[in-house]
Amino acid sequence: DAMVIQNPRYQVTQFGKPVTLSCSQTLNHNVMYWYQQKSSQAPKLLFHYYDKDFNNEADTPDNFQSRRPNTSFCFLDIRSPGLGDAAMYLCATQGTSGGTGELFFGEGSRLTVL
Amino acid sequence: AQSVSQHNHHVILSEAASLELGCNYSYGGTVNLFWYVQYPGQHLQLLLKYFSGDPLVKGIKGFEAEFIKSKFSFNLRKPSVQWSDTAEYFCAVNAGYGNKLVFGAGTILRVKS
Repeated sequence: DAMVIQNPRYQVTQFGKPVTLSCSQTLNHNVMYWYQQKSSQAPKLLFHYYDKDFNNEADTPDNFQSRRPNTSFCFLDIRSPGLGDAAMYLCATQGTSGGTGELFFGEGSRLTVL
Repeated sequence: AQSVSQHNHHVILSEAASLELGCNYSYGGTVNLFWYVQYPGQHLQLLLKYFSGDPLVKGIKGFEAEFIKSKFSFNLRKPSVQWSDTAEYFCAVNAGYGNKLVFGAGTILRVKS
């Protein structure tokens, strides 16, 4: 059974039209991450939540925002997508304190910007 | 800050050939080490992981990796590759729970049948 679920799997938007990607988890994990992966590149961390504490990477553009209304859900908002934002967006969770630090990834949401 | 380097960006092998993908990391403290695989059009999947204990770690699908602390390395190996191993392989490191996972640039493996 899928434990980290991302929706939609594929999203097509127009240049400048806001987009929201969602991630839900059934693992009850404290930590949730959003990564951006462009073609043939390594996943790049955008931000993460440790419970409700939000941690932004220094080089994450202001165009990218996130919300975590509860433990199970996390959203990635792209306020004004540009052509350079076309990528796969990966959500991941990490288990409770004392755990091994392994991340569990969802299947990703592929964003196309026209 | 942690960083991960993977030595080969593209590797092409024939079926039954042996595989070794290099991974070196830089971080002074205790680390957790991972190899993830991404098959064409699919999401990242964990191949194997090292946290402590035996430095030779066995994963799924016949893969193994050896942690050599003195060399800051965590190389991935498979004695005999199959066509179905064609994928991109990522080495990743974190400093434990609550710490972000840092990925290497990835190695694209193509296995010729």
